[in-house]
Amino acid sequence: GQQLNQSPQSMFIQEGEDVSMNCTSSSIFNTWLWYKQEPGEGPVLLIALYKAGELTSNGRLTAQFGITRKDSFLNISASIPSDVGIYFCAGQGSSNYKLTFGKGTLLTVNP
Amino acid sequence: KAGVTQTPRYLIKTRGQQVTLSCSPISGHRSVSWYQQTPGQGLQFLFEYFSETQRNKGNFPGRFSGRQFSNSRSEMNVSTLELGDSALYLCASSADGSYEQYFGPGTRLTVT
Repeated sequence: GQQLNQSPQSMFIQEGEDVSMNCTSSSIFNTWLWYKQEPGEGPVLLIALYKAGELTSNGRLTAQFGITRKDSFLNISASIPSDVGIYFCAGQGSSNYKLTFGKGTLLTVNP
Repeated sequence: KAGVTQTPRYLIKTRGQQVTLSCSPISGHRSVSWYQQTPGQGLQFLFEYFSETQRNKGNFPGRFSGRQFSNSRSEMNVSTLELGDSALYLCASSADGSYEQYFGPGTRLTVT
């Protein structure tokens, strides 16, 4: 089946630093989604990407749909303590309406 | 609009028992997907229902089943519980034709 490799697995950064994480796949995806999950809660949708090469921002977050359609990137600028959480990428490929999730990137921000 | 709601939020069951979890989607959403989340395996897709029909299914044993009602509310059932079924069970809903899934807070199931 389709698999997503998300990296890094974890990051420990200082407040104010920029953050980058990415997801790669051996398969082509038609849609890329980025979620954030905080302890005790379900994932919250941050950004949705639908076209190869697309670059979309949501506040300090920017995500890109790779031109090969096999990868996606998420950047967070000027991190703040409330950015702490697990960030997941998800892709929709050949199976309609079924999402495949990466294993997540645990982000810790030191004030 | 109210978000996705799941009940109960926490459950403790014994091996061999069965359990039913409930999910109410965002109003107007007819697609409901279920996921199992564990630290080791991450988010694993269980199944997806649309208009009371199972439209997609993941690679879980037959002990895991689900259904959807005419008001789009969905339930999932796990029979003959095993210790390895301990996990956070998440449901997500989406609008017709959309791949954007919106998650509920999850049900934390502990099997002892």
